[in-house]
Amino acid sequence: GENVEQHPSTLSVQEGDSAVIKCTYSDSASNYFPWYKQELGKRPQLIIDIRSNVGEKKDQRIAVTLNKTAKHFSLHITETQPEDSAVYFCAARRARGSYIPTFGRGTSLIVHP
Amino acid sequence: DTEVTQTPKHLVMGMTNKKSLKCEQHMGHRAMYWYKQKAKKPPELMFVYSYEKLSINESVPSRFSPECPNSSLLNLHLHALQPEDSALYLCASRGTEETQYFGPGTRLLVL
Repeated sequence: GENVEQHPSTLSVQEGDSAVIKCTYSDSASNYFPWYKQELGKRPQLIIDIRSNVGEKKDQRIAVTLNKTAKHFSLHITETQPEDSAVYFCAARRARGSYIPTFGRGTSLIVHP
Repeated sequence: DTEVTQTPKHLVMGMTNKKSLKCEQHMGHRAMYWYKQKAKKPPELMFVYSYEKLSINESVPSRFSPECPNSSLLNLHLHALQPEDSALYLCASRGTEETQYFGPGTRLLVL
């Protein structure tokens, strides 16, 4: 089955800095990679996703990059703000034809004002 | 309406109680999911319903019993739970695209 590794487990930055969270996956057939943000006590919310036919996708201060050869994908947040503080989960869709994502273990991002 | 709703928000139950969690969506999604989430851990898949039929059971103990009465509703019946079952229970749904929409969850405490 799919295995998703996520690093770091905790990331502490100053407001205005950039933050990068990295994930690797094991199943070369995985072709959909969503990122979820979960604030304390709230539901996971999709913030950006990328499909394997695209190398990069950007939405305002958030971007995701995908390296299919190396089976890496990363979340980049620029100009971080205190409200970006949350736990971020990457995921990879387990296999072709299946819509069950395998989640990484999460990164706790803390943005200090 | 891109919302999944769940009731109750919080639930405290004893180990001999029977209770039910409810989930509802009106997006016409035909896949619905139950997840269990412990603090600062990723959601763990429990069950998947596809077109109102149970398609995946991730070896969940029988004290958890899912039910899908219709395409908009998903229930999780709880009986004889253990303290280690205390967690956030999340419902999610998915339409024809890959995106899963999560409900706000039910925070369960088993005493």
